[in-house]
Amino acid sequence: GAVVSQHPSRVICKSGTSVKIECRSLDFQATTMFWYRQFPKQSLMLMATSNEGSKATYEQGVEKDKFLINHASLTLSTLTVTSAHPEDSSFYICSATVGNSPLHFGNGTRLTVT
Amino acid sequence: GIQVEQSPPDLILQEGANSTLRCNFSDSVNNLQWFHQNPWGQLINLFYIPSGTKQNGRLSATTVATERYSLLYISSSQTTDSGVYFCAVEATGTYKYIFGTGTRLKVLA
Repeated sequence: GAVVSQHPSRVICKSGTSVKIECRSLDFQATTMFWYRQFPKQSLMLMATSNEGSKATYEQGVEKDKFLINHASLTLSTLTVTSAHPEDSSFYICSATVGNSPLHFGNGTRLTVT
Repeated sequence: GIQVEQSPPDLILQEGANSTLRCNFSDSVNNLQWFHQNPWGQLINLFYIPSGTKQNGRLSATTVATERYSLLYISSSQTTDSGVYFCAVEATGTYKYIFGTGTRLKVLA
């Protein structure tokens, strides 16, 4: 149980385009989803917290207009990287939880912007 | 915000050796998890352990929340244990998980 599916696993896009990443909880309804970013050989940095039906809460230093997060249902959250640039290349990973329970992670998306 | 420091940052072991990884946090927490990140980036949930001690096979973990630390023990290490180990904590009242700095483990055959 507690499976989180994230797509795509890899994406290469040209500078200036937008990329959407999906995160789905397959067998549970996630009250909260988190988006993290990880640069090579570094830890995971929390980007934002999203709750179904409300606006995401972004961490300090994360541009909300660049990283659009939508949590339209209890099983789906999306992260859109708008007008991507090479410095946005990174590993993005989502997680989901319900209530006071453990975090469950998707397998991550490796974004390369050329 | 809460600071989460892990030690050691890097660890090299011979297969069969035991090790202890430490996670220190600067504030009170409601939840704490240990993860293993494999070479493909997947995060494997090892323990959900806001307090007390748990064991799962060769792995065990202890959290002493009042003293703001958690320990992950790996016994009889195997090459497949290689990877990065993270603790992640939910500081009281924040409802979000912050990751520690990580311990990069390499087990040699």
